Amino acid sequence: EVQLVESGGGLVKPGGSLRLSCAASGFTFSSYSMNWVRQAPGKGLEWVSSISSSSSYIYYADSVKGRFTISRDNAKNSLYLQMNSLRAEDTAVYYCARDTSSSGGSCYDYWGQGTLVTVSS
Amino acid sequence: DIQMTQSPSTLSASVGDRVTITCRASQSISSWLAWYQQKPGKAPKLLIYKASSLESGVPSRFSGSGSGTEFTLTISSLQPDDFATYYCQQYNSYPITFGQGTRLEIK
Repeated sequence: EVQLVESGGGLVKPGGSLRLSCAASGFTFSSYSMNWVRQAPGKGLEWVSSISSSSSYIYYADSVKGRFTISRDNAKNSLYLQMNSLRAEDTAVYYCARDTSSSGGSCYDYWGQGTLVTVSS
Repeated sequence: DIQMTQSPSTLSASVGDRVTITCRASQSISSWLAWYQQKPGKAPKLLIYKASSLESGVPSRFSGSGSGTEFTLTISSLQPDDFATYYCQQYNSYPITFGQGTRLEIK
């Protein structure tokens, strides 16, 4: 059974940093691109970042470029999102999601349960 | 960036009704469109990919159609479990973008 479990969310002050993790199991993690998607409270879905299976291709939304860094460790079956210079508008539930393709740029067939990040003083 | 616009934003319907949700792209995305269902407090669930392909395990009352810039999601006979919010997503090019969502509520 495919499972994606996010962790690392919490309350952080504006300007602070947080590192999210996503532990994957039940599939060959190294064969799939992975993604972060967020959802602000009461709002819609917003794509954040994508990373290809071998980390060769990485993409970011303009809203997080230069502040967030996506990475993965295929040996540990884990996906990460390092978030720096956090702003109030980054407050959201962050989901990791599996791409249906190894190279990315496809839709997402499995999602984690999400982890809440709250940026507030 | 490709903008995705869903209509309506809210849809009231009854069990057994046939409903259609529309998603329009600001430029052609061929058939690179997916539909998701999301219930409160839960992660989105993939329903349709490549505009009209039904994801494994999704009931056949769900169907998708369209290409280019106009797409539809149809539920042929609403069931109680279908009341949720639906999102379209284009994956023709980065940045990946979602529609704003359509909330399907019980009339």
